[in-house]
Amino acid sequence: AQRVTQPEKLLSVFKGAPVELKCNYSYSGSPELFWYVQYSRQRLQLLLRHISRESIKGFTADLNKGETSFHLKKPFAQEEDSAMYYCALSRGSTLGRLYFGRGTQLTVWP
Amino acid sequence: GAVVSQHPSWVICKSGTSVKIECRSLDFQATTMFWYRQFPKQSLMLMATSNEGSKATYEQGVEKDKFLINHASLTLSTLTVTSAHPEDSSFYICSARRAGGEETQYFGPGTRLLVL
Repeated sequence: AQRVTQPEKLLSVFKGAPVELKCNYSYSGSPELFWYVQYSRQRLQLLLRHISRESIKGFTADLNKGETSFHLKKPFAQEEDSAMYYCALSRGSTLGRLYFGRGTQLTVWP
Repeated sequence: GAVVSQHPSWVICKSGTSVKIECRSLDFQATTMFWYRQFPKQSLMLMATSNEGSKATYEQGVEKDKFLINHASLTLSTLTVTSAHPEDSSFYICSARRAGGEETQYFGPGTRLLVL
């Protein structure tokens, strides 16, 4: 079985401060990891995925297989980054089924 | 592009009735759609995978006779909550993957179900 753990339910930082949202996973195979974001009163949308190795809206995430982590980072948080962030895992060969962590509510204060 | 809609956005029903929720991909074809359930302040829980033209695949612990899924076309999947009870009250969200194997899932806005 697979599990995605986001240890922080709430995270607050000030504008301009670095932010890191933690995500750990457990899965015996080779997973694909994703970060999804949900802004207030909007639907869930993909932020980034580990195989793309890209930076979206200043956010990056590196898959660390040794630590089974996929933490989301941004060096300088902005107020518009305030949202709910979900880490998700796909088991690769399972036609895209996603298993989500419980989410972290990020608040960026002015 | 890649918009997914759900209908209705919210529904209130009496215990014992059945409720149908529609999920549509508006501007693309989706061979695979997914149904999730989200309890208040909790994560999305995958319920089932809906494949066009074939039976849905349910996650462990999800009653297939309780949550009927039909994926009759490349743009429509429906979830029917049969004989709904108050414990079925939840937020139901669907997502869709484009035909062609693209990994990205596009999510609907969700349907709030309240069973009295």
